[in-house]
Amino acid sequence: EAQVTQNPRYLITVTGKKLTVTCSQNMNHEYMSWYRQDPGLGLRQIYYSMNVEVTDKGDVPEGYKVSRKEKRNFPLILESPSPNQTSLYFCASMRLRGQGELLFFGPGTRLTVL
Amino acid sequence: QKEVEQDPGPLSVPEGAIVSLNCTYSNSAFQYFMWYRQYSRKGPELLMYTYSSGNKEDGRFTAQVDKSSKYISLFIRDSQPSDSATYLCAMSVFGGATNKLIFGTGTLLAVQP
Repeated sequence: EAQVTQNPRYLITVTGKKLTVTCSQNMNHEYMSWYRQDPGLGLRQIYYSMNVEVTDKGDVPEGYKVSRKEKRNFPLILESPSPNQTSLYFCASMRLRGQGELLFFGPGTRLTVL
Repeated sequence: QKEVEQDPGPLSVPEGAIVSLNCTYSNSAFQYFMWYRQYSRKGPELLMYTYSSGNKEDGRFTAQVDKSSKYISLFIRDSQPSDSATYLCAMSVFGGATNKLIFGTGTLLAVQP
């Protein structure tokens, strides 16, 4: 089944404790992206990657890191989480071959930073 | 001004009503226009997409794009309680110097039985 998976789905942590949220897609998509979703603010892009070893900042990159060493994986790293990073996070992927950029989302990771 | 504007609602309609959801945008470079549906506690799922101006129909759903007015719409006919969700518009342009995909903030729809 074609899908985007994220782990963990739920995470409660404390300020300053480094964490990684994994994202994996099995559709051979070039493009991958991380979003956070907050009430009233909608989906905001954190980082995106156009292909392996190519990453770029989105609208709200502060406090986050990413890497794209393999095509299928795009982990999101919070080196020193803070309470304002409490949010619902979505990973998404998309094929970039001129046939319509259709973004597919993972199920989400609900992060609480105390 | 935001690049994409979407009325957050909430929008409450009786079952069977025709629903109209809308977004406006400011960047004329956008090429693809999408509508996502997001149920509570779930990830957004792609509902419909269109390229360029015009209408596209899929069952009870019709997506409409007017690039001259920078306005897109999603119509839902014979709305059902199962249509209750948040609907997000999105638009994108990829290729050349510009790579961008932007979402509206979403409209919360409640269809009352």
